[in-house]
Amino acid sequence: SQTIHQWPATLVQPVGSPLSLECTVEGTSNPNLYWYRQAAGRGLQLLFYSVGIGQISSEVPQNLSASRPQDRQFILSSKKLLLSDSGFYLCAWNAGAAYNEQFFGPGTRLTVL
Amino acid sequence: TQLLEQSPQFLSIQEGENLTVYCNSSSVFSSLQWYRQEPGEGPVLLVTVVTGGEVKKLKRLTFQFGDARKDSSLHITAAQPGDTGLYLCAGRSNDYKLSFGAGTTVTVRA
Repeated sequence: SQTIHQWPATLVQPVGSPLSLECTVEGTSNPNLYWYRQAAGRGLQLLFYSVGIGQISSEVPQNLSASRPQDRQFILSSKKLLLSDSGFYLCAWNAGAAYNEQFFGPGTRLTVL
Repeated sequence: TQLLEQSPQFLSIQEGENLTVYCNSSSVFSSLQWYRQEPGEGPVLLVTVVTGGEVKKLKRLTFQFGDARKDSSLHITAAQPGDTGLYLCAGRSNDYKLSFGAGTTVTVRA
């Protein structure tokens, strides 16, 4: 069966510091991968998605970037965090364009102080 | 701009009561998913509906997809405290992405 991991689970960072959040998927090959941000108790905003290694599509211009160095690894980064980057970051995967469902990781709670 | 509008935003009911959550859009979707999310965790998929007019049942939960595939509803019969959570609907257009509603926070009091 497939499993999706995210780490760290929680992170507190000062303004201006760099960021690296990691997501890995097990049990599947060539998944589509997604990064979302969620405000407290609200819906999900799509940040980036990737349909293959090295292929990144950005949905929202912002202080963040994404990379996919391996088939089942998706990384969210920032060179200098802003206060507004605080939030709950979720990684998700699905099996490809023919599939409707996305499956989510446990999330990372980021607080920028 | 929220492509999918969910209502109500908050819902608090007593154990044993019924509830309905709505998800509406002016856009047509090829499929629609419902997720439930608990605090500090990722959303968990409940159901996918694909065909206009489709009704799916998952124990005490009934999901319906509108005939025109623009709206959906989730009905819970005899709600239990374990049904508490944030309910999210998400519609798929003809690409790789899902558009999410803002969610309905459901609280079932014992």
